[in-house]
Amino acid sequence: QQQVKQSPQSLIVQKGGISIINCAYENTAFDYFPWYQQFPGKGPALLIAIRPDVSEKKEGRFTISFNKSAKQFSLHIMDSQPGDSATYFCAARTGTASKLTFGTGTRLQVTL
Amino acid sequence: ETGVTQTPRHLVMGMTNKKSLKCEQHLGHNAMYWYKQSAKKPLELMFVYSLEERVENNSVPSRFSPECPNSSHLFLHLHTLQPEDSALYLCASSQEGLDSPLHFGNGTRLTVT
Repeated sequence: QQQVKQSPQSLIVQKGGISIINCAYENTAFDYFPWYQQFPGKGPALLIAIRPDVSEKKEGRFTISFNKSAKQFSLHIMDSQPGDSATYFCAARTGTASKLTFGTGTRLQVTL
Repeated sequence: ETGVTQTPRHLVMGMTNKKSLKCEQHLGHNAMYWYKQSAKKPLELMFVYSLEERVENNSVPSRFSPECPNSSHLFLHLHTLQPEDSALYLCASSQEGLDSPLHFGNGTRLTVT
């Protein structure tokens, strides 16, 4: 019930391509869905987040698409760049930040 | 110093050792967290402190002992660890309230031999 399932585990995309990472959840009480980006040797950092009352949120090249009925959400990275190579974690939360449940992570590699 | 600082960055310890991980946040936040990050697993929430009181302890073995002396500092005391405890230990902080993001440190890479 508390799990967030993330796929794929790893992803290789050519420079300029679109990277897509998917997450699914079961707990309908989740009310906040952030994505975190983690570079090697660094801690995760908030990238973008969405609430379930909207179906899409865009910040620059990063877009979250949210499908409430399917209980799925995804991260799209447009015009992927080598600097986007990192591990991406989806997460979901009820209430305060202490209830954040993370996915298993997707290691993205953007090739030249 | 800005953000969340963790020391040491790397730690190798034997199973009979006692060591401590330190975390300091310079963001004025009122909540601090310890997470465990292992390969191919979700980040595991270990402990949460809000206003210096422990508000969550997710069934963590007693060989891990947290301490939060004030809202800016958090420690994780380690003793008689097992090899499976080898992982990246991440500290985070946040300001309690809706949509307040977690701010993570860069972690301590712990190896138990």
